[in-house]
Amino acid sequence: DIVMTQSPDSLAVSVGERATISCKSSQTVFPGTTNKNYLAWYQQKPGQPPKLLIYWASTRQSGVPDRFSGSGSGTDFTLTISSLQAEDVAVYYCHQYYSPPWTFGQGTKVEIK
Amino acid sequence: EVQLVESGGGLEQPGRSLRLSCTTSGFTFADYPMTWFRQPPGKGLEWVGFIRSSAYGGTTEYAASVKGRFTISRDDFRSIAYLQMNSLKTEDTAVYYCTRDTFPADYWGQGTLVTVSS
Repeated sequence: DIVMTQSPDSLAVSVGERATISCKSSQTVFPGTTNKNYLAWYQQKPGQPPKLLIYWASTRQSGVPDRFSGSGSGTDFTLTISSLQAEDVAVYYCHQYYSPPWTFGQGTKVEIK
Repeated sequence: EVQLVESGGGLEQPGRSLRLSCTTSGFTFADYPMTWFRQPPGKGLEWVGFIRSSAYGGTTEYAASVKGRFTISRDDFRSIAYLQMNSLKTEDTAVYYCTRDTFPADYWGQGTLVTVSS
């Protein structure tokens, strides 16, 4: 199984400041044949289902604000919120869909400082 | 508008069975794989399994923790996906989410809580 490890487990950022979350996979999620990284980011607010933010490591889902961006390749990935807003308080998960069993990171809780 | 609504959750005893349904609308159900995830209270997300579209044989894949106990099926005519859960264990207690899978899952239902306890 591919193990996904996020860091940090939590972070507090002032409104308007940058938030950065790291995700590392135990194996590559880039098969090379498709030239795509099978890595997604989800946002989950309390009492709600996860919401897809980013897929193929860096493609923003329709309707997601452009302050959210994803980067990285192979085994190292980053989610960046360029200017944190109050409504961004949530838990963020990275997720690999390269090889079953699909797995998630443990989650990173983002709060307002 | 794409909608997925899970139903069938509740309290069940260990060893018993439960069937969850995922009623969908707003998209051509038959064209999509459907995936189930779960989330134990206060914990992270876990993939349960998925069913391919009928065009790809409607075959299934499962997490090791549920393989042999859980079965995913689909009714393309009624646009419903099912999760049959047998031999329930206390560690199956979770909110179960049904998703439309576009690799990755793009639309999620609100979830249904399954509690396994004696």
